[in-house]
Amino acid sequence: AQKITQTQPGMFVQEKEAVTLDCTYDTSDPSYGLFWYKQPSSGEMIFLIYQGSYDQQNATEGRYSLNFQKARKSANLVISASQLGDSAMYFCAMREVGSGNTGKLIFGQGTTLQVKP
Amino acid sequence: EAEVAQSPRYKITEKSQAVAFWCDPISGHATLYWYRQILGQGPELLVQFQDESVVDDSQLPKDRFSAERLKGVDSTLKIQPAELGDSAMYLCASGRRAGRTDTQYFGPGTRLTVL
Repeated sequence: AQKITQTQPGMFVQEKEAVTLDCTYDTSDPSYGLFWYKQPSSGEMIFLIYQGSYDQQNATEGRYSLNFQKARKSANLVISASQLGDSAMYFCAMREVGSGNTGKLIFGQGTTLQVKP
Repeated sequence: EAEVAQSPRYKITEKSQAVAFWCDPISGHATLYWYRQILGQGPELLVQFQDESVVDDSQLPKDRFSAERLKGVDSTLKIQPAELGDSAMYLCASGRRAGRTDTQYFGPGTRLTVL
């Protein structure tokens, strides 16, 4: 069973508008972390934001925020005031840290975001 | 700001040849990861090190792939012989420890093309 699902292969957003990238996950481990990475065409994976399974508040980092809905097992990334430089592939990833897990990251298929001027 | 270094950035080789990739993690990071990313997909873990020890190599094709981190610092990933299906981006990442909150920081990757 796929553990991380990103259902939007591609998204468009107008410059300066906000956009939400969807991510749902599946785990029976009560202790896990959720991450979002940005991958520009150059290939490097850039860490954006982290949310822990026990965190009570949604994570925020500058223009990035994570809409964490634990009961729905969703961890959507919200980018406010989109910029042309935000055009990239975005990956949601999960790390399980329970018994038997080594803590590796499990990635979704990614969402390509294009920001229109 | 400290970064993960990888070389080469690009590698073109013919099938059946040997290739090697090098990774230097952020100083002080105990965990090191090698991921393979096929075009259009998310990265998948090949091997994970904690210091110089292999923690997880369950997805490493051991008949042709090998990885080492002899002194617990930099690491080398080798493919011998390379096959057409090995064409992919090979990403190295490092982290302080393998806990839930640990963030993995990635290098620029090595883009391998096997002809």
